[in-house]
Amino acid sequence: NAGVTQTPKFQVLKTGQSMTLQCAQDMNHEYMSWYRQDPGMGLRLIHYSVGAGITDQGEVPNGYNVSRSTTEDFPLRLLSAAPSQTSVYFCASSRDGRETQYFGPGTRLLVL
Amino acid sequence: GNSVTQMEGPVTLSEEAFLTINCTYTATGYPSLFWYVQYPGEGLQLLLKATKADDKGSNKGFEATYRKETTSFHLEKGSVQVSDSAVYFCAFRGNSGYSTLTFGKGTMLLVSP
Repeated sequence: NAGVTQTPKFQVLKTGQSMTLQCAQDMNHEYMSWYRQDPGMGLRLIHYSVGAGITDQGEVPNGYNVSRSTTEDFPLRLLSAAPSQTSVYFCASSRDGRETQYFGPGTRLLVL
Repeated sequence: GNSVTQMEGPVTLSEEAFLTINCTYTATGYPSLFWYVQYPGEGLQLLLKATKADDKGSNKGFEATYRKETTSFHLEKGSVQVSDSAVYFCAFRGNSGYSTLTFGKGTMLLVSP
């Protein structure tokens, strides 16, 4: 099993550009989530999904969209990037919302 | 509201020293408690967990005991190694439905030879 994979590892965007951060897991996990990690802030939940076709907002959802068309994939979309979205983004999955979450290696995003 | 407070770092220790990283939480009910570790350049890995009061989680020489009366889950290790240098995150999750993880801000540990 590859576990949780994320692409790209690093991305530079200009303000106003759009992009999609990819996340995939091969463990047949129902629960997937996106976090951002900022210095001194720990990890904050952006969006999560409890299964295909079901998503919900976390603590800091503004500026981000998600969809969950398959169990395996949970992409995070930035429609119009802003410098405040410069961060490290982590995707995580678990069998259900009560089990241990497994994290991907992260995507480092710089918005100029 | 729900929150996790952990001691600020960095914590700097010499090899074989005793480690304590304090963590307290504010939550309703009986949450599950976790310690995650992040090694440089990597994602987070679960280090240990406890799901009910007085449970002790342990892994790789690290321990933490779920103290309901003090709402604490302090991380300890008797003898740290250079390879333990990492950022440690305390987290909790409520036990109702699909409760999400709430993380502390993280504590960096630096161990020198």
